[in-house]
Amino acid sequence: AQSVTQPDIHITVSEGASLELRCNYSYGATPYLFWYVQSPGQGLQLLLKYFSGDTLVQGIKGFEAEFKRSQSSFNLRKPSVHWSDAAEYFCAVGGPYYNQGGKLIFGQGTELSVKP
Amino acid sequence: SQTIHQWPATLVQPVGSPLSLECTVEGTSNPNLYWYRQAAGRGLQLLFYSVGIGQISSEVPQNLSASRPQDRQFILSSKKLLLSDSGFYLCAWERTSLGYEQYFGPGTRLTVT
Repeated sequence: AQSVTQPDIHITVSEGASLELRCNYSYGATPYLFWYVQSPGQGLQLLLKYFSGDTLVQGIKGFEAEFKRSQSSFNLRKPSVHWSDAAEYFCAVGGPYYNQGGKLIFGQGTELSVKP
Repeated sequence: SQTIHQWPATLVQPVGSPLSLECTVEGTSNPNLYWYRQAAGRGLQLLFYSVGIGQISSEVPQNLSASRPQDRQFILSSKKLLLSDSGFYLCAWERTSLGYEQYFGPGTRLTVT
């Protein structure tokens, strides 16, 4: 079955510290992988995506993610967290679905809090 | 550039009343369109998706329905709201030419009282 697991429901980091959010997926074909961010009361914004090629992908706001096929993981990282990064982060996997367009499967999200 | 709109932004409705939420996309043609619901403290639940005018696929049986009367318009409806319909409703469009990435609207906060 296709699924996405984000093991950490809530993470707190200090401002300026590094960040890693975990994402594991199960998908029966070559996955398309995404990270989205959601501020309170807002829609989701696409941070970055992986389709193929280089397994380390760069996104907006200084985020990067690494695709590891052997571990079925797509972890999100940032070297130095800013207070404005506090938000909820969603990992998603997708691809062709019944040849009628893609469908994304989302993880349950990780809420990030940033300590001053 | 492409823009997605949702309205209303906030809605408070009594149990048993009808519902109509609207989503429109600008700057693209023939997008795939999606309705999601996000309950408090939970992830996204896909409700409906559409690959063209009049083509609707339902993911979860419920008292909600969706329609796509125009290429860039997607409507979520209900004849009689339940308390459990409360939540944050998100519309998204998909740029299939670039590999299934979806772009989300600002959402509608629905509270059923």
